[in-house]
Amino acid sequence: NAGVTQTPKFRVLKTGQSMTLLCAQDMNHEYMYWYRQDPGMGLRLIHYSVGEGTTAKGEVPDGYNVSRLKKQNFLLGLESAAPSQTSVYFCASSPRAKNIQYFGAGTRLSVL
Amino acid sequence: DQQVKQNSPSLSVQEGRISILNCDYTNSMFDYFLWYKKYPAEGPTFLISISSIKDKNEDGRFTVFLNKSAKHLSLHIVPSQPGDSAVYFCAASSQTGANNLFFGTGTRLTVIP
Repeated sequence: NAGVTQTPKFRVLKTGQSMTLLCAQDMNHEYMYWYRQDPGMGLRLIHYSVGEGTTAKGEVPDGYNVSRLKKQNFLLGLESAAPSQTSVYFCASSPRAKNIQYFGAGTRLSVL
Repeated sequence: DQQVKQNSPSLSVQEGRISILNCDYTNSMFDYFLWYKKYPAEGPTFLISISSIKDKNEDGRFTVFLNKSAKHLSLHIVPSQPGDSAVYFCAASSQTGANNLFFGTGTRLTVIP
């Protein structure tokens, strides 16, 4: 059982480049989330989705876009990367009826 | 403004002794609280949770205590083991909406053999 899988695991971008982070879950969870973790700041919610075709902003959404075209996938896009987006990104999923989130292993992104 | 706070960035404990990790929150709408454990280069792993209708929840060596009037919760690990060395995050949510979690900044626990 793979759970939540994030790809890629590492990426280095130059300022202004774009990229997409992919999250896939095989637990049939309705809800999915993207977080970023920065030193000394814990995890902060970027965007989330309560179902296929729906997305909503979290605490720190600026500079990111998301899409949930399929229930099992949640994509996080950076259209024009900035050094401030250097971080570790975590995807999570949760069943609707249970207030516990299950996390992927993370993507470490560096923007130079 | 940080709604969930973990004021101790680190904690060291001898193997076999009790580890106590603390967490405070400010939002009175929070009614569900969780602890996650995180090893380096891995994602957070759910450890234990508690609803606001309870003041204690126990699972093996792990116990979470909730003091609603003080807006404070704590995680007790007894006995502590070297494999417990990790970063522990406290998280809180309101059981309405999309199960969104608000995380503390984490406490790094080191269990000394």
